[in-house]
Amino acid sequence: EVHLVQSGAEVKKPGATVKISCQVSGYRLIDYHMHWVKQAPGKGLEWVGLVDPEDGTTEYAEKFQGRITITADTSTDTAYMELSSLRSEDTALYYCLTAAHYFGSWGQGTLVTVFS
Amino acid sequence: QTVVTQEPSLTVSPGGTVTLTCASSTGAVTSAYFPNWIQQKPGQAPRTLIYSTTNKHSWTPARFSGSLLGDKAALTLSGVQPEDEAEYYCLLYYSGAWVFGGGTKLTVL
Repeated sequence: EVHLVQSGAEVKKPGATVKISCQVSGYRLIDYHMHWVKQAPGKGLEWVGLVDPEDGTTEYAEKFQGRITITADTSTDTAYMELSSLRSEDTALYYCLTAAHYFGSWGQGTLVTVFS
Repeated sequence: QTVVTQEPSLTVSPGGTVTLTCASSTGAVTSAYFPNWIQQKPGQAPRTLIYSTTNKHSWTPARFSGSLLGDKAALTLSGVQPEDEAEYYCLLYYSGAWVFGGGTKLTVL
């Protein structure tokens, strides 16, 4: 059975950088793309980007370009999302979503709070 | 910038049938957009119900079905249950990137 377990909540100051993780089990990270999704408080889902763990290639939503870095460590089956130059609008739940089994599994979400 | 449009809200009676749609600002939605439908209940993580237009996961109730309707992707619920009250999002593929619709809040009343 596929499981995605994300790292814990983060509180950051404006301008800082946050890096959150998503460890998978039940399949090999290298075999499928890993996506990240943002959900601001009371708002809808927003696609952030993806990584192909096999070769590290990425695709990012235009609004996050320049601030987002998504990586994958296939030795530990862990994907990462790093967001820099944080601002209040980045306060949100961030989910990882695997393309394994056709988007069959989501992480539990990581709350990032940007607070001065 | 690509925009994916869904009905903001819909209301259906228990036992009724309702269709949610998903439109693209780029034109007609086809199977090449690999439409997915995602359900999210309050306080819960999302879960994917439908992938690649019509395909169901093992956990997807039989009353849910996906299709193409005209120039849109569609999610139809037949014999709606109270537990189907939730937010529903479509997710479309655009040449490497993906875009979510704004979501439809489905009320069962």
